Amino acid sequence: DAGVTQSPTHLIKTRGQQVTLRCSPKSGHDTVSWYQQALGQGPQFIFQYYEEEERQRGNFPDRFSGHQFPNYSSELNVNALLLGDSALYLCASTGLAPETQYFGPGTRLLVL
Amino acid sequence: GNSVTQMEGPVTLSEEAFLTINCTYTATGYPSLFWYVQYPGEGLQLLLKATKADDKGSNKGFEATYRKETTSFHLEKGSVQVSDSAVYFCALSDRGLTGGGNKLTFGTGTQLKVEL
Repeated sequence: DAGVTQSPTHLIKTRGQQVTLRCSPKSGHDTVSWYQQALGQGPQFIFQYYEEEERQRGNFPDRFSGHQFPNYSSELNVNALLLGDSALYLCASTGLAPETQYFGPGTRLLVL
Repeated sequence: GNSVTQMEGPVTLSEEAFLTINCTYTATGYPSLFWYVQYPGEGLQLLLKATKADDKGSNKGFEATYRKETTSFHLEKGSVQVSDSAVYFCALSDRGLTGGGNKLTFGTGTQLKVEL
């Protein structure tokens, strides 16, 4: 049973560029959440997708957008990258037990 | 809003020492509480959870009890090993939306270093 997978593992971009990160949830899970973890900090909630719609959103600007596909996989898009967007981006999935989220290994984004 | 406060690290212990990492929370309603662990260069792994007051979560020798009266969820282990060296995050979760999962609110993490 595959866990949550994310791609790519690492990414380097320059300011002003756009980036797309991808996530496949754990088998049987239908809800995907995205978190940003800055160096030395705890993860911060970006948004959550269920039934291909954004269900909840954290305190992140509109430059952060997402999508969920019919197979429950998800993408996180960030436009007009800033240096401060450099972080580990974590995807988590949830199934029948909505309070328990399982995390992927993350995508480490560096903005230069 | 919801918040989680953890003791600052790093916490440095000798192998077989007793571990306590303090965690307190502020939340509206009745959250579920979690401890996640992050090993260097990796994502988060769920260590244990408790979903209601007085529940005790346990896993791999780690324990934490949901204390509603003190709004706390302290992590303990009787005898740590070098392999327990990692960053530990306390988190809380809102009660679920129908058909969806909850968002997690994390503390800032506590780094544990266990030495021989």
